[in-house]
Amino acid sequence: GENVEQHPSTLSVQEGDSAVIKCTYSDSASNYFPWYKQELGKRPQLIIDIRSNVGEKKDQRIAVTLNKTAKHFSLHITETQPEDSAVYFCAANPLNDYKLSFGAGTTVTVRA
Amino acid sequence: DVKVTQSSRYLVKRTGEKVFLECVQDMDHENMFWYRQDPGLGLRLIYFSYDVKMKEKGDIPEGYSVSREKKERFSLILESASTNQTSMYLCASSWDSRYQPQHFGDGTRLSIL
Repeated sequence: GENVEQHPSTLSVQEGDSAVIKCTYSDSASNYFPWYKQELGKRPQLIIDIRSNVGEKKDQRIAVTLNKTAKHFSLHITETQPEDSAVYFCAANPLNDYKLSFGAGTTVTVRA
Repeated sequence: DVKVTQSSRYLVKRTGEKVFLECVQDMDHENMFWYRQDPGLGLRLIYFSYDVKMKEKGDIPEGYSVSREKKERFSLILESASTNQTSMYLCASSWDSRYQPQHFGDGTRLSIL
């Protein structure tokens, strides 16, 4: 099955700086890569996803990049704000497979 | 706006009890999921259902069963609760051609004493 590793486990950034979280995956058949954000005490929310037919996707201050050759994908948050403080999870699986494999999560803290 | 509602936010049960966790979604989604969330382990899939009375095992189904008698409701059952099932349980749903969770509930923090 798929194995997803996520780094770093914690990340502290100054407000206004960028944050980058990286995930690697093992199964070359994986072609769907979502990212979830979970604020303290709240439900996870799907914030962005990418499929393997594109290399980058942006949504306002959030972007995800995918390197299929190296089997890694990253989440980039620019101009970080206090409300970006949360745990972020990456995940991967083939599109037609319900067994989404999650990374262990990255706790992002944005310092004012 | 999609709403996934889990019946309890916090639950305390005793070892050996049969425990029911209930989840209801209001968007007529075909797919529903049960995950458990533990620190340092991310989310792990327990069971998945793609239709009424249909279910598939996830990565960690041992000690659990599920029931989907109606499209909107997906129940997780701990047949005989054990202390290692103390965890946060998350229900999720997605529309029919998406086999990945899109909308999560608030979670049930279950403690087994």
